[in-house]
Amino acid sequence: AQSVTQPDIHITVSEGASLELRCNYSYGATPYLFWYVQSPGQGLQLLLKYFSGDTLVQGIKGFEAEFKRSQSSFNLRKPSVHWSDAAEYFCAARSGGYQKVTFGTGTKLQVIP
Amino acid sequence: GAGVSQSPRYKVAKRGQDVALRCDPISGHVSLFWYQQALGQGPEFLTYFQNEAQLDKSGLPSDRFFAERPEGSVSTLKIQRTQQEDSAVYLCASSLVGTKESPLHFGNGTRLTVT
Repeated sequence: AQSVTQPDIHITVSEGASLELRCNYSYGATPYLFWYVQSPGQGLQLLLKYFSGDTLVQGIKGFEAEFKRSQSSFNLRKPSVHWSDAAEYFCAARSGGYQKVTFGTGTKLQVIP
Repeated sequence: GAGVSQSPRYKVAKRGQDVALRCDPISGHVSLFWYQQALGQGPEFLTYFQNEAQLDKSGLPSDRFFAERPEGSVSTLKIQRTQQEDSAVYLCASSLVGTKESPLHFGNGTRLTVT
């Protein structure tokens, strides 16, 4: 079955430190991949997306993600975290020719001063 | 408005009551999705519309759940005879065209609590 896995439920980082959130997918073919962020009481906002081509994609708010086919991974990174980045992050995938987007269970990011 | 609008923001229903949740997508957006997000979980797909046609309802958990989009714009998700397990945030999303590259734009959701 198609699935998206985020192995880390909760991550705490210090402000200014680097961040990496993990995402693995299980699909027959490489899906379209997305990262969304959700602040408390808010909907989901798209950070970045990968369809094909360059495996390092840039997004909003200084985030980037790297697609690694050999590891079926699409990890999200940020060089220096700001307190305002505290939120929940969701990795998502959509397979070619099908509209449904499948989400991971999310990683909650806490930023400490 | 500029974004996807959902109403009400919060809904408390007694077990057994019927509820209706409304979604106003971004004007001109062809595709509309409903997702259910339980506490501490990621969003789970419920159903998908392209214009007024409901093309996928495979995620609806039971026949108590019904969604419609009669004029291809506003959509309503109806839950009949609510149960406690229906308590969740219901998210609506729309996208401009019906292609897989089109990003989803989410509303802020309706938090349903069934008591």
